[in-house]
Amino acid sequence: QKEVEQDPGPLSVPEGAIVSLNCTYSNSAFQYFMWYRQYSRKGPELLMYTYSSGNKEDGRFTAQVDKSSKYISLFIRDSQPSDSATYLCAMSAKVRIAGGYQKVTFGTGTKLQVIP
Amino acid sequence: DGGITQSPKYLFRKEGQNVTLSCEQNLNHDAMYWYRQDPGQGLRLIYYSQIVNDFQKGDIAEGYSVSREKKESFPLTVTSAQKNPTAFYLCASRQELVSDEQYFGPGTRLTVT
Repeated sequence: QKEVEQDPGPLSVPEGAIVSLNCTYSNSAFQYFMWYRQYSRKGPELLMYTYSSGNKEDGRFTAQVDKSSKYISLFIRDSQPSDSATYLCAMSAKVRIAGGYQKVTFGTGTKLQVIP
Repeated sequence: DGGITQSPKYLFRKEGQNVTLSCEQNLNHDAMYWYRQDPGQGLRLIYYSQIVNDFQKGDIAEGYSVSREKKESFPLTVTSAQKNPTAFYLCASRQELVSDEQYFGPGTRLTVT
């Protein structure tokens, strides 16, 4: 079983829809959660990050973490064609000590297509 | 503008040749990373470096080598020993002890025939 599971999609939605992207994880040591957006043939771009359970909002994006269920989500409101990309979840056990190595585990990504 | 640059964007090599991928950052980040991305797979860590003149193997280091002579630079060499080198290679950096987020470069697509 992979440490992080993410549905690869593709997920096709009409413009203006609310999009829900999800990841599940098995490692209870994960404390830090990130979402990246990756356009085709480009590097991943950090969208949001959060430490705690609950919701974090940034414009049209909301990141949700449920540590008890080991489940994280990214919601996109009023989706636009420019949101069409692959979305990667990523997580790590927080390490803030000198010489401490932070391993980030990535999901395989969900491909999203927003249709005009 | 601060950021990470990778060059070239596309690289073509014949089988049996070594090739070096460039990664430079001007973010003053301490830690740098090399990942490989293949279709249907998550990013896999090749090598990482937390400080100058020090680096550690990641999960798939075989057939790769790195150096970290300067804080800003972390080049990756794909050697002829790497059995399946065709992939999208991503370099990332992070500010140690300050944040957990990794920032990525634009990537290099390597094709070996």
